[in-house]
Amino acid sequence: DQQVKQNSPSLSVQEGRISILNCDYTNSMFDYFLWYKKYPAEGPTFLISISSIKDKNEDGRFTVFLNKSAKHLSLHIVPSQPGDSAVYFCAASDSSNTGKLIFGQGTTLQVKP
Amino acid sequence: DTGVSQDPRHKITKRGQNVTFRCDPISEHNRLYWYRQTLGQGPEFLTYFQNEAQLEKSRLLSDRFSAERPKGSFSTLEIQRTEQGDSAMYLCASSFRGEQYFGPGTRLTVT
Repeated sequence: DQQVKQNSPSLSVQEGRISILNCDYTNSMFDYFLWYKKYPAEGPTFLISISSIKDKNEDGRFTVFLNKSAKHLSLHIVPSQPGDSAVYFCAASDSSNTGKLIFGQGTTLQVKP
Repeated sequence: DTGVSQDPRHKITKRGQNVTFRCDPISEHNRLYWYRQTLGQGPEFLTYFQNEAQLEKSRLLSDRFSAERPKGSFSTLEIQRTEQGDSAMYLCASSFRGEQYFGPGTRLTVT
């Protein structure tokens, strides 16, 4: 049972344009959502998070949007840079529990110069 | 503090051998997690410690797997009688609250 899904395995965008990565979840107990970026042979690096009491959180070029009624979140990267090319994972947790993260399958982003 | 560290970074072992991995979390973090990642998948939760107490274990963690966190500091993950299906990246993460910070992982190859 895949509780967190990233339905696009890959995304290619031009440098300077917007990258939009999407994530859907099924468990209504999830109340904390995170995005991680991963380069090959490295562990995931934390990017940005959002609590279920908010619908938007922004940090520099990265913005995460949460639509609780649709159980959907997205990560916007503006403007995209070639160094953003990596695998992006969406993760969710129920913070009243152990805080363990449930990850999606990942989306590979390629930003072309 | 330079972040979460894991040792070794790579381990090649023969089927049936035992292996042990170590994780050193960020020093002020009381929560420690182990995850496993296979090719093309996101990390999957294995087990969780709060200080020295192991509070949750995934069904993925068979009897061949054991984890410890003595004194609530570093943690070890041992796999006994390794099988080829154990080949994966083993990731450790720590947190105080909120976001988890991951180590570089240990890549295990069972031949």
